[in-house]
Amino acid sequence: DVKVTQSSRYLVKRTGEKVFLECVQDMDHENMFWYRQDPGLGLRLIYFSYDVKMKEKGDIPEGYSVSREKKERFSLILESASTNQTSMYLCASSPGQGGEQFFGPGTRLTVL
Amino acid sequence: GENVGLHLPTLSVQEGDNSIINCAYSNSASDYFIWYKQESGKGPQFIIDIRSNMDKRQGQRVTVLLNKTVKHLSLQIAATQPGDSAVYFCAERTGTASKLTFGTGTRLQVTL
Repeated sequence: DVKVTQSSRYLVKRTGEKVFLECVQDMDHENMFWYRQDPGLGLRLIYFSYDVKMKEKGDIPEGYSVSREKKERFSLILESASTNQTSMYLCASSPGQGGEQFFGPGTRLTVL
Repeated sequence: GENVGLHLPTLSVQEGDNSIINCAYSNSASDYFIWYKQESGKGPQFIIDIRSNMDKRQGQRVTVLLNKTVKHLSLQIAATQPGDSAVYFCAERTGTASKLTFGTGTRLQVTL
């Protein structure tokens, strides 16, 4: 069964902390994505990756960075968390030719 | 996510009735469209997709209709059940093979 897992379901951090959100997929997909989801705004793309060590900015990359050292793992990093980064973060993956994206369960991050 | 339903347009239907959820997409060059369902506390799940060379596609209890002239997509759910209660998103693919652009979503409430 297709699976995308995220390291935490709920996370509480303080302003200024460095935050790591991890995502792992077991489908050997080339593409991986990080979104944030806020009420009334839908899913907004933060960063994506087409291959190992490759990354591209999405629509709202400011304040975030990513790392993809292995094909199955895509990490989202908040270098210095701020309260406006409180959100639901969703990871997804898809095969190289695109199409359907498979989503993880999400991480609810609260920054105090 | 838990708060994804706030500020969303809501469609209320009675159990057993048919539901129609609409979506206007933005780019006339989009060639592929997907409908996702998101239940509370979960990541989005694929329901059905359609390519731009088609007008209609049917799945189990669901039908997607595509009107390219007016850039409109709809999802029809037959004999709506309580388990269909969720937020529904449309997504379009344009240009780069793997990126999807998501709509803001519609909340479907099924009443008994």
